[in-house]
Amino acid sequence: GGIITQTPKFLIGQEGQKLTLKCQQNFNHDTMYWYRQDSGKGLRLIYYSITENDLQKGDLSEGYDASREKKSSFSLTVTSAQKNEMAVFLCASSIGGGYAEQFFGPGTRLTVL
Amino acid sequence: QQQVRQSPQSLTVWEGETTILNCSYEDSTFDYFPWYRQFPGKSPALLIAISLVSNKKEDGRFTIFFNKREKKLSLHITDSQPGDSATYFCAAMRDNAGAKLTFGGGTRLTVRP
Repeated sequence: GGIITQTPKFLIGQEGQKLTLKCQQNFNHDTMYWYRQDSGKGLRLIYYSITENDLQKGDLSEGYDASREKKSSFSLTVTSAQKNEMAVFLCASSIGGGYAEQFFGPGTRLTVL
Repeated sequence: QQQVRQSPQSLTVWEGETTILNCSYEDSTFDYFPWYRQFPGKSPALLIAISLVSNKKEDGRFTIFFNKREKKLSLHITDSQPGDSATYFCAAMRDNAGAKLTFGGGTRLTVRP
C-alpha cells in the first residue's frame, strides 16, 4: 500500500497571485496527475507526468504550470489566480499509464478572494 | 463538447431497489471505461471497469452493461444500500493516449432507508 499527501489542505489566495500546490506519493508509481474538480462537477485533467521530468498537458492546462521534480513528487502552479475561483485540486498516481488504476490524494481546496 | 456524458445528474432510490446509472461517449477510439465512486468529502476511488472486448462486467452488487454499437454504458447496483450514497463517475480512455482519462460529470446517488 501507500499514500498520497497533498499540501496545503486549504489554500486562500488573492487575485493575480501565483500559487503552488504540492503532491507526494510513496507508492513508487511512475505516473502522476493533477485534476481540478469544481463543486458538483466532474474531474478535469490539468497535467500528467508519465515519468520523472516528463510533462503532458491535459484538457485544462491553460493558466497552470506543473513540475515533476522527482518520481515521488509533482507540483502544480496556478500562474495567476482568478477572483472568486473556488475548486478542489486532486493529485493522483498510477503504476503506469494506460489502464492502470489511479489512486487519488485528499485534495487541496483553493479559494481566491 | 463533453466527450463523456452521464445521466441523471442526481438520483434518489429506496433501500433494496436497483439503481441504474447511465453513461455515453462520443469518441469511438475510447476502449476502456472505469467507474469511480466518490463519497461525500472523500476522494474518488476505482469501483469497477470494463474494456471494449466485454459486454458485461460484474463485481458483487455492481454490474456494467456495455452497448458498443450505441456507445452507451450503464452501471447497475442491485439491492441498493444507504452506504452506496455517493457520486459515481464514468470515465473513458484509449490505450494509445498514454494515461489520459476523461471523466463524465457524475451522478449523485442518494439511497434512502
